Amino acid sequence: DTGVSQNPRHKITKRGQNVTFRCDPISEHNRLYWYRQTLGQGPEFLTYFQNEAQLEKSRLLSDRFSAERPKGSFSTLEIQRTEQGDSAMYLCASSLGTGFSGNTIYFGEGSWLTVV
Amino acid sequence: AQSVSQHNHHVILSEAASLELGCNYSYGGTVNLFWYVQYPGQHLQLLLKYFSGDPLVKGIKGFEAEFIKSKFSFNLRKPSVQWSDTAEYFCAVNGPGGYQKVTFGTGTKLQVIP
Repeated sequence: DTGVSQNPRHKITKRGQNVTFRCDPISEHNRLYWYRQTLGQGPEFLTYFQNEAQLEKSRLLSDRFSAERPKGSFSTLEIQRTEQGDSAMYLCASSLGTGFSGNTIYFGEGSWLTVV
Repeated sequence: AQSVSQHNHHVILSEAASLELGCNYSYGGTVNLFWYVQYPGQHLQLLLKYFSGDPLVKGIKGFEAEFIKSKFSFNLRKPSVQWSDTAEYFCAVNGPGGYQKVTFGTGTKLQVIP
């Protein structure tokens, strides 16, 4: 059973550097989500793709953040010029659905980012 | 924007005690409701979900939740907790209709004492 796969699982980077995370969703899932989670908080929505189209972006996603899903399969989340406030767990999730159907979202294990 | 409130941040129970975790959301209309669980060191896993129909839904591991539309609530219950239920529990809401993102509450940490 292949669930949602994320890598790297942990990343430590110096402030000002760029980082990129990759997410491989469950096969054939057309929807892909990125969330961010900090200690003591629930996951916060960042962005959402349906196939290759990025349909929604949170205001949390500043200009330094960019997400892509070029072929409607895997996705990347890039953070440019990292800041200490970017330290968090970045979660990827996927689901299968059309319209506003009751689709269940399945999460990956997350990628921990520490900016020093 | 939709918001989700979980009023219990940290709950400590003895084994065999009954559990009820509160969850309220802000916007009504057509919503899908979820409870996710995160065991220590593991990823978020779906416990149960409500899309439509019977407002009392049953999930895995003996958990159930009741959707009360008039109260904008979706409380999680378990009649008798076990030590292995120690985890963090998140309520989540998809909607109102048309919005695909799922909004999460801040979570409730449950500690079950043997």
